[in-house]
Amino acid sequence: GQQLNQSPQSMFIQEGEDVSMNCTSSSIFNTWLWYKQDPGEGPVLLIALYKAGELTSNGRLTAQFGITRKDSFLNISASIPSDVGIYFCAGTLSGTYKYIFGTGTRLKVLA
Amino acid sequence: DTGVSQNPRHKITKRGQNVTFRCDPISEHNRLYWYRQTLGQGPEFLTYFQNEAQLEKSRLLSDRFSAERPKGSFSTLEIQRTEQGDSAMYLCASSLLTSGGEQYFGPGTRLTVT
Repeated sequence: GQQLNQSPQSMFIQEGEDVSMNCTSSSIFNTWLWYKQDPGEGPVLLIALYKAGELTSNGRLTAQFGITRKDSFLNISASIPSDVGIYFCAGTLSGTYKYIFGTGTRLKVLA
Repeated sequence: DTGVSQNPRHKITKRGQNVTFRCDPISEHNRLYWYRQTLGQGPEFLTYFQNEAQLEKSRLLSDRFSAERPKGSFSTLEIQRTEQGDSAMYLCASSLLTSGGEQYFGPGTRLTVT
């Protein structure tokens, strides 16, 4: 199935550092969602974006809907050990309510 | 509101057997989605319902797979004549028609076909 490209694929960071990850596509998307998934659990919704250029925060998390509508970014500030997990982006193409998911960014935080 | 629930959480079955999973969405959520997720991958769309109508199905949903949402509330996903390649996490999600698209997932059903 089709999936979005996420970068980086994985990252190790020190506690307290800021984290950036992105999601890119060759197609224009109408909606972007960011999720975090822990092992053996379902994804948990973090942030939803609906307009090009939109910047939305949820606590230490900030996400942006790219101007070209082909990408989105997620930043985590002052990371803590519980930020460990897999982060997925997901988006919908114009005219559909089917969500396409990214390949995931695996985050590990070193205390 | 207790969120999206899925049953069972784990299922081990022998190849060739039929299995059925249940999803109870967040109450009043009109849309219900099924996804499959294999190790190291993101969720892959299988199908979605708006109320009781099944509006879209992925090519991943072979003729051995069938999903229903008979009264527009809970949904079932059945896999007939299971194969080892069906081993995966099956995720259900729901959203409200008017919410703009925020989709909430259940904990998933882990299927292992031996």
